[in-house]
Amino acid sequence: GQSLEQPSEVTAVEGAIVQINCTYQTSGFYGLSWYQQHDGGAPTFLSYNALDGLEETGRFSSFLSRSDSYGYLLLQELQMKDSASYFCAVRDTGGFKTIFGAGTRLFVKA
Amino acid sequence: NAGVTQTPKFQVLKTGQSMTLQCAQDMNHEYMSWYRQDPGMGLRLIHYSVGAGITDQGEVPNGYNVSRSTTEDFPLRLLSAAPSQTSVYFCASSSSGESYEQYFGPGTRLTVT
Repeated sequence: GQSLEQPSEVTAVEGAIVQINCTYQTSGFYGLSWYQQHDGGAPTFLSYNALDGLEETGRFSSFLSRSDSYGYLLLQELQMKDSASYFCAVRDTGGFKTIFGAGTRLFVKA
Repeated sequence: NAGVTQTPKFQVLKTGQSMTLQCAQDMNHEYMSWYRQDPGMGLRLIHYSVGAGITDQGEVPNGYNVSRSTTEDFPLRLLSAAPSQTSVYFCASSSSGESYEQYFGPGTRLTVT
């Protein structure tokens, strides 16, 4: 089976840096993805890590450690519009199925 | 490109009724999936398809059927609606590229009374 764990809520101040962690247990693993979802909207893709290390895309970075079954999403220079839910997701061994975590609700305060 | 489209946006069903949620994509993606999203439970995979004529079960397939006769369309059928199927349903598609980035439709909010 597969399971992913991430914190249910995180609160941070505008302009700050926040890290959202994700640990996973899977029978097989191809890569870790991150998605953002605003209230009432659809999830949108943020990043993908297939190999260990850091991937940077503008203010967002994502990190993966396959040996620790752990990854995180780093959001820098937080803006009010970053208030949303963030989901980590893993692709299974076959690469065809993507399983999502329960999501982390990020609140950005002024 | 319209991306991934879903119809209807909202639907109310009575227990025992059946219906089909429509999903279409115009990006020529091989992979398509259906998810349901309930409060506090993230997205749970119902069924997925790796190409026309090929489907498989996800985490929560019971009570749902799918078929994939064309690359573009991936309808989800509720056979006999139950209150436990009240949820928001998202369809997604992705290519076989390295990131398997999934593109989601706007969702269908279903209520079963």
